[in-house]
Amino acid sequence: QKEVEQNSGPLSVPEGAIASLNCTYSDRVSQSFFWYRQYSGKSPELIMSIYSNGDKEDGRFTAQLNKASQYVSLLIRDSQPSDSATYLCAVNDAGNNRKLIWGLGTSLAVNP
Amino acid sequence: DADVTQTPRNRITKTGKRIMLECSQTKGHDRMYWYRQDPGLGLRLIYYSFDVKDINKGEISDGYSVSRQAQAKFSLSLESAIPNQTALYFCATSDLGRYEQYFGPGTRLTVT
Repeated sequence: QKEVEQNSGPLSVPEGAIASLNCTYSDRVSQSFFWYRQYSGKSPELIMSIYSNGDKEDGRFTAQLNKASQYVSLLIRDSQPSDSATYLCAVNDAGNNRKLIWGLGTSLAVNP
Repeated sequence: DADVTQTPRNRITKTGKRIMLECSQTKGHDRMYWYRQDPGLGLRLIYYSFDVKDINKGEISDGYSVSRQAQAKFSLSLESAIPNQTALYFCATSDLGRYEQYFGPGTRLTVT
């Protein structure tokens, strides 16, 4: 059973701090990794994609990938109350390249 | 205008009724997906389609059926709704050769 695991949280950080969200995956041959943000009652929104080991930065967001350790993380710098949401990690299913394997999400609360 | 639209946005129906949820997209993507989301259970794939002649069951297809009427339209039907089908339903699309998926706004379905 292929899995993507995330700490459900809630992760609570003060405004302006760095929020660190982690995700581990079981399928060693997965090649594509995604972070989605989902506000309560709304649809998931793609915020980061990463395909190679190392860091990828986009504004206040940095995705980090370590394929040897099978984990991917998302750092949010200068966290804002508007970042309060659930963050979903998704990984391509290498055995069926038409599907993503989804984590259950980590709830983030940024406190003013 | 939104790239992926879903109708209706909210629906309350009674046990045993047939109901159809519709999804349309203007992104020009070939792949379309139906998910349901329940608290604590994350996103679960119901059906997915790569073109009008390609329909595939996901992990929880029992009690559901789909129709891909055109590249841009993918409908989900509940033949005889039951209360445990109460959930948030999302349609998503992805481009050929890409894994990232883009979601519609969702349909909140309540079966009483």
